[in-house]
Amino acid sequence: GAGVSQSPRYKVAKRGQDVALRCDPISGHVSLFWYQQALGQGPEFLTYFQNEAQLDKSGLPSDRFFAERPEGSVSTLKIQRTQQEDSAVYLCASSLEGGGRTGEYGYTFGSGTRLTVV
Amino acid sequence: LAKTTQPISMDSYEGQEVNITCSHNNIATNDYITWYQQFPSQGPRFIIQGYKTKVTNEVASLFIPADRKSSTLSLPRVSLSDTAVYYCLVYNSGNTPLVFGKGTRLSVIA
Repeated sequence: GAGVSQSPRYKVAKRGQDVALRCDPISGHVSLFWYQQALGQGPEFLTYFQNEAQLDKSGLPSDRFFAERPEGSVSTLKIQRTQQEDSAVYLCASSLEGGGRTGEYGYTFGSGTRLTVV
Repeated sequence: LAKTTQPISMDSYEGQEVNITCSHNNIATNDYITWYQQFPSQGPRFIIQGYKTKVTNEVASLFIPADRKSSTLSLPRVSLSDTAVYYCLVYNSGNTPLVFGKGTRLSVIA
């Protein structure tokens, strides 16, 4: 597609529920990133894939967070047993280059999934 | 990674040139400077990046002095639609994903 697509756009989850957030990156982009953005704050790095390999997951806040990109394209961010502090916008970005590099055109971000845990 | 410091907010009238300065005193030799723009309910959008001197594209100009300890994003003749948060980032050309700060919230007033 022309851009990075994320679904759902909005998700309301009851505390304790599991959620799965999907990211469709730009076709052919090697790198894929997940960020978490709280209200009024900048995006915070969660995890990074190069093709299907998860090279950095240092930003995942707890073992309740899990991400995968099994075929090197679509990625899913899963949050188990959601808690209120998980409420945020989850942003996915992709980049043509590998190695976390931005390349000439930078990262392309999706519009995010707004997760509200009640 | 070098820490960046930029104003929390700025106001401007339509039609004015806006300059947002970012300091990055600890920038390393192989670090680049990049700027992103974020509108409400959207993800950040890449604006411009550079290493030194001046870079210009159809959206903005980026001025980087010789010591590279700061950079200035220049937006010519802003309009209401330029109201957004602008992030200055320093990144290593190696393997480090982008690290965002809080950015500068620009409000353009009619």
